[in-house]
Amino acid sequence: GNSVTQMEGPVTLSEEAFLTINCTYTATGYPSLFWYVQYPGEGLQLLLKATKADDKGSNKGFEATYRKETTSFHLEKGSVQVSDSAVYFCALSGLGTSYDKVIFGPGTSLSVIP
Amino acid sequence: SQTIHQWPATLVQPVGSPLSLECTVEGTSNPNLYWYRQAAGRGLQLLFYSIGIGQISSEVPQNLSASRPQDRQFILSSKKLLLSDSGFYLCAWSVPGASGYTFGSGTRLTVV
Repeated sequence: GNSVTQMEGPVTLSEEAFLTINCTYTATGYPSLFWYVQYPGEGLQLLLKATKADDKGSNKGFEATYRKETTSFHLEKGSVQVSDSAVYFCALSGLGTSYDKVIFGPGTSLSVIP
Repeated sequence: SQTIHQWPATLVQPVGSPLSLECTVEGTSNPNLYWYRQAAGRGLQLLFYSIGIGQISSEVPQNLSASRPQDRQFILSSKKLLLSDSGFYLCAWSVPGASGYTFGSGTRLTVV
């Protein structure tokens, strides 16, 4: 079936460190891929997305590339800040259901320390 | 522009009491609407979705129900809350046929 797998963490990094959060997916067809971010006590916000193979989504210094050959959509940032501390969810959609079904990964908690 | 409103932000309710959480969307017509629950330290669980007025589908059996009395209004209810209903409830909407959701700010429900 359709699913999303991501490292659950928690991930703890020092400020200005390089961040990678791995995400792989299983899906039939050609899904769209997303990263959502959830800051403490808040709802989810769309961080970036990619709708077809080799597309790169980017926002706020974060990047992820849609890799169809490896079914991956890893999130990266070159230099993290304390304000990036949050939970990050990888997700996919475009599965052809009547209600735009989105499948979320379990989330990765990131803590950035000064 | 489209916005989504969800309230209340926090709620503390005793076991056995009723529940009503409301979500409204502005700036769009005929959206798909969703209720998710996020238990402490866990991922997102889709509870209900709706593709139109009065059309509600449940993803998991539970103590909760949902209603859509108007095109852009989605309500999550319970007649008698259980301790296990505690969690963070998120409403979301999407444009039919488009990809991705927009989430509300969530309601933190604690059942005591």
